[in-house]
Amino acid sequence: GQQVMQIPQYQHVQEGEDFTTYCNSSTTLSNIQWYKQRPGGHPVFLIQLVKSGEVKKQKRLTFQFGEAKKNSSLHITATQTTDVGTYFCAGPDQTGANNLFFGTGTRLTVIP
Amino acid sequence: DSGVTQTPKHLITATGQRVTLRCSPRSGDLSVYWYQQSLDQGLQFLIQYYNGEERAKGNILERFSAQQFPDLHSELNLSSLELGDSALYFCASSARLTGTGDEKLFFGSGTQLSVL
Repeated sequence: GQQVMQIPQYQHVQEGEDFTTYCNSSTTLSNIQWYKQRPGGHPVFLIQLVKSGEVKKQKRLTFQFGEAKKNSSLHITATQTTDVGTYFCAGPDQTGANNLFFGTGTRLTVIP
Repeated sequence: DSGVTQTPKHLITATGQRVTLRCSPRSGDLSVYWYQQSLDQGLQFLIQYYNGEERAKGNILERFSAQQFPDLHSELNLSSLELGDSALYFCASSARLTGTGDEKLFFGSGTQLSVL
């Protein structure tokens, strides 16, 4: 069945260090979305990537979609304590249902 | 605030019991999605409704059922509860992304279910 794995599962960084999470899909994706869930909160949409090799930036966050459209990454430059949370990638459900299949998530802890 | 409303925020019950979780989508959104998030687990898709009709079904147990009413609010019914059903249950509605036509999700704050 469809699998979307994210690595690492957990990451602790010192404030100011960079952070990267990788998302790997077992199937080719037409697009990929990223969500952030703060501790005790709910997932919030960050961005969608559609094109092969696409790179998008949001301030200190850089999102990339792989050339084969089977992987993606999120890189945060100079982490801040506000970056704490779990980051999920999500792709279209391959069964054809109009819903998102979420990755396993990467939980980021930022040490002040 | 996502505009998606979920009640109750917390629910504590015993094994074997039945509970109902309620969700109201954002104003104007026709879709409702239900997801389950267990401790240290990702988001597992349960079921989706669109304008009152079931549109997609994921890993939803037979003990669970849902419906969407004419006013578009949705209820998720969980019966014969087991310890393993303890989880955070999210409801979401969706909106079209500009340019792609794909849907992005707006999540409610969730209902934390504890089965003792």
